[in-house]
Amino acid sequence: KNQVEQSPQSLIILEGKNCTLQCNYTVSPFSNLRWYKQDTGRGPVSLTIMTFSENTKSNGRYTATLDADTKQSSLHITASQLSDSASYICVVSGNSGTYKYIFGTGTRLKVLA
Amino acid sequence: GAGVSQSPSNKVTEKGKDVELRCDPISGHTALYWYRQSLGQGLEFLIYFQGNSAPDKSGLPSDRFSAERTGGSVSTLTIQRTQQEDSAVYLCASSHQTGPADTQYFGPGTRLTVL
Repeated sequence: KNQVEQSPQSLIILEGKNCTLQCNYTVSPFSNLRWYKQDTGRGPVSLTIMTFSENTKSNGRYTATLDADTKQSSLHITASQLSDSASYICVVSGNSGTYKYIFGTGTRLKVLA
Repeated sequence: GAGVSQSPSNKVTEKGKDVELRCDPISGHTALYWYRQSLGQGLEFLIYFQGNSAPDKSGLPSDRFSAERTGGSVSTLTIQRTQQEDSAVYLCASSHQTGPADTQYFGPGTRLTVL
């Protein structure tokens, strides 16, 4: 069964600190992996998109990595800000229909002042 | 520019009633998706529209759920005879096309509560 698992479920850090969120997937074949940020009460917003041939992608203070061999991805947030408080969702798409995305349950990040 | 909009933002209904949820995608986006997000769960794919092609309805959980997209733009998700387990946030997204590098743009969602 195609699955996307994220860890930790929730995380609390102090403003200015770095953190790394993990995503493991079993989707096969694999097409692309996305990270989204979802603020409370809002729809998800795309942060990064990586195909199988890419192993890192940055968007400002957000850096995503991908290891297609081990089927693992991480999202690293540098110098966290209060506005980073949100849920971060890992999404994987397989070749059997690139529009059929499989969503993880997310990591809920809280950044404290 | 205008993003994806959804209405209503909140809907409270009684069990057994029908509801209609509306999605206005970004102008020019040919692909439109509906998802359901239940508390503590990942987004669940419901239905996908691409241009004039027949929609992929494989994610609809029961025949009480239906959706249409008129004129390749606005979409309506209809839930008939609502049940309490239908309570969730219903999210709509659109994209310019479908591909490995295409970005989905999500609306703010409609929070449905079935009493």
